[in-house]
Amino acid sequence: AQKVTQAQTEISVVEKEDVTLDCVYETRDTTYYLFWYKQPPSGELVFLIRRNSFDEQNEISGRYSWNFQKSTSSFNFTITASQVVDSAVYFCALVTVSFGNEKLTFGTGTRLTIIP
Amino acid sequence: DTGVSQNPRHKITKRGQNVTFRCDPISEHNRLYWYRQTLGQGPEFLTYFQNEAQLEKSRLLSDRFSAERPKGSFSTLEIQRTEQGDSAMYLCASSTKRGGNRGDIQYFGAGTRLSVL
Repeated sequence: AQKVTQAQTEISVVEKEDVTLDCVYETRDTTYYLFWYKQPPSGELVFLIRRNSFDEQNEISGRYSWNFQKSTSSFNFTITASQVVDSAVYFCALVTVSFGNEKLTFGTGTRLTIIP
Repeated sequence: DTGVSQNPRHKITKRGQNVTFRCDPISEHNRLYWYRQTLGQGPEFLTYFQNEAQLEKSRLLSDRFSAERPKGSFSTLEIQRTEQGDSAMYLCASSTKRGGNRGDIQYFGAGTRLSVL
């Protein structure tokens, strides 16, 4: 069975500070994909980033960066120079591809508040 | 591409009534998913279609729930004899054009928020 744990329930930071959201996952599959989604107050889940299990290279995309470490089963997400518009609930999710159905298993989310 | 569209955005109903939600996926996407999200939780998988075939249903989907995807285009989710515990946000997602890769991004609609009084 798959499981995603986001231990941080709520985080508040002052605008322009950097913030890291933690994600730990569990799966027995060797092929899987990890995602981060953002859910603003409007409710729609917005895709942010994806990483597959074979690529541990960490990357930066604009103000977003992520740190994928298979050894610790972690997929952490960092926002640099946070802005008020970053305030939202952030979900980490896992997809395993063993049986064709690529259903997402989500964590419980981290509510991020950026204080102006 | 237009995004995933869900209707209605909000639905208030009395316990025991039937409700139906609609999802229009991104055109050419052959995979369609329904998820349910309760307050303070992440979305949970309900069911999955590949084209018109419903290939998997979660144990969360009781006999009162039924989903269809006629002709592999839009999908409907019906809840019969609603209960207060059915109150949640129902999210639809689509992914994967024909010949697409595994691990494709699922694009979500804005959801239908159901309140059962």
